[in-house]
Amino acid sequence: SQTIHQWPATLVQPVGSPLSLECTVEGTSNPNLYWYRQAAGRGLQLLFYSVGIGQISSEVPQNLSASRPQDRQFILSSKKLLLSDSGFYLCAFVTAGDAYNEQFFGPGTRLTVL
Amino acid sequence: AQSVTQPDIHITVSEGASLELRCNYSYGATPYLFWYVQSPGQGLQLLLKYFSGDTLVQGIKGFEAEFKRSQSSFNLRKPSVHWSDAAEYSCAVDRSGAGSYQLTFGKGTKLSVIP
Repeated sequence: SQTIHQWPATLVQPVGSPLSLECTVEGTSNPNLYWYRQAAGRGLQLLFYSVGIGQISSEVPQNLSASRPQDRQFILSSKKLLLSDSGFYLCAFVTAGDAYNEQFFGPGTRLTVL
Repeated sequence: AQSVTQPDIHITVSEGASLELRCNYSYGATPYLFWYVQSPGQGLQLLLKYFSGDTLVQGIKGFEAEFKRSQSSFNLRKPSVHWSDAAEYSCAVDRSGAGSYQLTFGKGTKLSVIP
């Protein structure tokens, strides 16, 4: 079966510190991968998506970057966190090849930047 | 730019009452529309989606939604609410318009259910 994992579940980091959030998918090959963020009082916002290894599209200019070093691994990073980076981060995947497949979301990471 | 508006931030209904959650979208072409639910401690779960065809879409947990192009709406309904339906509900549109799941979400509506 297809599963998606994210870690850590919660994270508290000081301003200016680096960030690395990891997402892995099991049970499927060549998925499309996505990073979303939900800031306080706002809807989920698409940050990055990837259709293959090394292929990253950024949706909004920001302090974050994403990488896809392996087919089923998606990493969200920052060199120096800002207060505005606080939020709930969700990773998601879709099995490629069929536009009618469902998009599955991970459990999320709650990031607080102090 | 595509946008999704959910005008109700918080709705409270009595158990057994009917429910309608509103969603309006702004999109130039035929939209791909979704409703998701997130319960406390649970991940985001797809309730239903509309890609084409019948404008009344049936989903899981007894929910349905109706696509109305003339009103740019995709409202979610349930005839009789259960206490377990208390959760956050989010409407979304696929900004790519091609089923690639680059979703734009509304701010969500929190549903509370009174026993």
